[in-house]
Amino acid sequence: DTGVSQDPRHKITKRGQNVTFRCDPISEHNRLYWYRQTLGQGPEFLTYFQNEAQLEKSRLLSDRFSAERPKGSFSTLEIQRTEQGDSAMYLCASSFSQTGELFFGEGSRLTVL
Amino acid sequence: GQNIDQPTEMTATEGAIVQINCTYQTSGFNGLFWYQQHAGEAPTFLSYNVLDGLEEKGRFSSFLSRSKGYSYLLLKELQMKDSASYLCAVSGGSYIPTFGRGTSLIVHP
Repeated sequence: DTGVSQDPRHKITKRGQNVTFRCDPISEHNRLYWYRQTLGQGPEFLTYFQNEAQLEKSRLLSDRFSAERPKGSFSTLEIQRTEQGDSAMYLCASSFSQTGELFFGEGSRLTVL
Repeated sequence: GQNIDQPTEMTATEGAIVQINCTYQTSGFNGLFWYQQHAGEAPTFLSYNVLDGLEEKGRFSSFLSRSKGYSYLLLKELQMKDSASYLCAVSGGSYIPTFGRGTSLIVHP
């Protein structure tokens, strides 16, 4: 399968723990985005990469959040000291160009108890 | 910044036509996307408009008026499987798509 894949699909953790999500984009796509989606809302932008460079971060991305994309391939999103408000679906998407459509992964659902 | 507004919910009858509107305010404009999202699934691409006018793709059409900050998605010959959330997303000056909250469409027999 050559689509966007995310891992894990579901994560349940206790408040205060750290979690990491991984995204493998479509191989020829150089742009990679992270969004967060809660029930009844549209995806909210978190950050994006052009190849390995992280070019923009949303104000939603507090200092507890960090994202990397080493070598411009897969990306990881880490949340430190999780809070209940972090419970959401974390969506990764990639695109071939800046005007290209986004291809989304199935998402990683985080539940913080 | 960007502001995107679309109705929260719409209902329609199988076989009918429905129009989902989206209005937006943005600093810089590089296109408008429509995505479909079924419950529990990832959004999937439907259409992209960057110039004014109507783009038709099968049962789905999308219209854009840049001067009015307005777009609509037109769904014809509605089917039960079209019940989903429809997301309007605007690509601004930084080419980062910003999504509206989505319109939940319920198609009933």
